[in-house]
Amino acid sequence: ETGVTQTPRHLVMGMTNKKSLKCEQHLGHNAMYWYKQSAKKPLELMFVYSLEERVENNSVPSRFSPECPNSSHLFLHLHTLQPEDSALYLCASSQARGSYEQYFGPGTRLTVT
Amino acid sequence: GQQVMQIPQYQHVQEGEDFTTYCNSSTTLSNIQWYKQRPGGHPVFLIQLVKSGEVKKQKRLTFQFGEAKKNSSLHITATQTTDVGTYFCAVGSGYSTLTFGKGTMLLVSP
Repeated sequence: ETGVTQTPRHLVMGMTNKKSLKCEQHLGHNAMYWYKQSAKKPLELMFVYSLEERVENNSVPSRFSPECPNSSHLFLHLHTLQPEDSALYLCASSQARGSYEQYFGPGTRLTVT
Repeated sequence: GQQVMQIPQYQHVQEGEDFTTYCNSSTTLSNIQWYKQRPGGHPVFLIQLVKSGEVKKQKRLTFQFGEAKKNSSLHITATQTTDVGTYFCAVGSGYSTLTFGKGTMLLVSP
């Protein structure tokens, strides 16, 4: 399955670092999503982009900053994270915003030290 | 957003036994989807149900949408070790983004 790719697959960063997660979808979809998955909250929706416009921001701390330069690419910029931000970050895409099926990337396993 | 409850949270079965997970909503749904996430993997779309009372089958998996479109079930007949993973339901209503349940983790012992 290579419809949605994510890089890097693993990331270890200190609390003062700045890093970015990248997601690319090759499915011609118009909506893209960032999710956080941890043991406490299995699938926590963070951001939704539709046609490159951010349409949902679910009370995510400002140390997470998304960017969607075009409908195929999605970034999550990370800055001064906390240890509790350690989790699997999943990107997904769907045909359009709404209740269409979502296609997930393999995720980035993030560890904040 | 939508509220959805998924039960059980966890189930451990012997290979060959059946397994069922349930997804319940307090509101009427436009559709419901099911996803499977293998250990170390990512959620993969399995199926979507749209019609009241709809039943769909995929080999040993049977998916059902309730008559009132407020609940759904996923039943696996004669589980195999390849069925191990977490099964999520995701509910949709209109233009709202899907809301995922907390998932049911299935462990199958040989």
